[in-house]
Amino acid sequence: EVQLVESGGGLVQPGGSLRLSCVVSGFTFSTSNMNWVRQAPGKGLEWVSYMSSTSGTTYYADSVNGRFTISRDNARNSLYLQMNSLRADDTAVYYCARRAGGSSLDRYFDYWGQGTLVTVSS
Amino acid sequence: EIVLTQSPGTLSLSPGERATLSCRASQSISSSYLAWYQQKPGQAPRLLMYGTSSRATGIPDRFSGSGSGTDFTLTISRLEPEDFVVYYCQQYSTTPWTFGQGTKVEIK
Repeated sequence: EVQLVESGGGLVQPGGSLRLSCVVSGFTFSTSNMNWVRQAPGKGLEWVSYMSSTSGTTYYADSVNGRFTISRDNARNSLYLQMNSLRADDTAVYYCARRAGGSSLDRYFDYWGQGTLVTVSS
Repeated sequence: EIVLTQSPGTLSLSPGERATLSCRASQSISSSYLAWYQQKPGQAPRLLMYGTSSRATGIPDRFSGSGSGTDFTLTISRLEPEDFVVYYCQQYSTTPWTFGQGTKVEIK
């Protein structure tokens, strides 16, 4: 059974930092390209960041570029998102999601975790 | 950035009826790079369709997708009670990969 389990969310003050984790099982993480996607309360989905299987390629949404850093540890089947200089508009549920495959045709997200809530507030 | 606009925002229908959800892109995208997701309350999104018209594993055949260029459609042929949730389109042609704002299908 495929599982993606996020953790690390919580309440943080504006300007603070938080590190999210996503532990996966049920598929070969080391050959999977991964993403973070977020959803503000009552709002739609926003892609945040991408990392290739070998960590060689990363992408970020403009809204988080320079503040967030994606990383992974293939030995631990884990994906991370280091979030610095957090703002109120970063408040959201953060999902990790697997890219379906390595081809450009397979860049959609086939498996998602249940999400972890990040609240930025004083 | 490719902006996706979904319409209508809310679709009010009865079980058994046909639902037609629209997704319009701000610029032309290949039909190979358009996906649809379903999200139930309190749950993560679930992949429904990819490449515009290919159903994901386990998705019933009452769901179908079509379109090209800037106009794409998700059709649910006969609504079941579990289909009354929110649907998002997504383009994965170019970064940033973007989603539409969602269409909520509600019971009339």
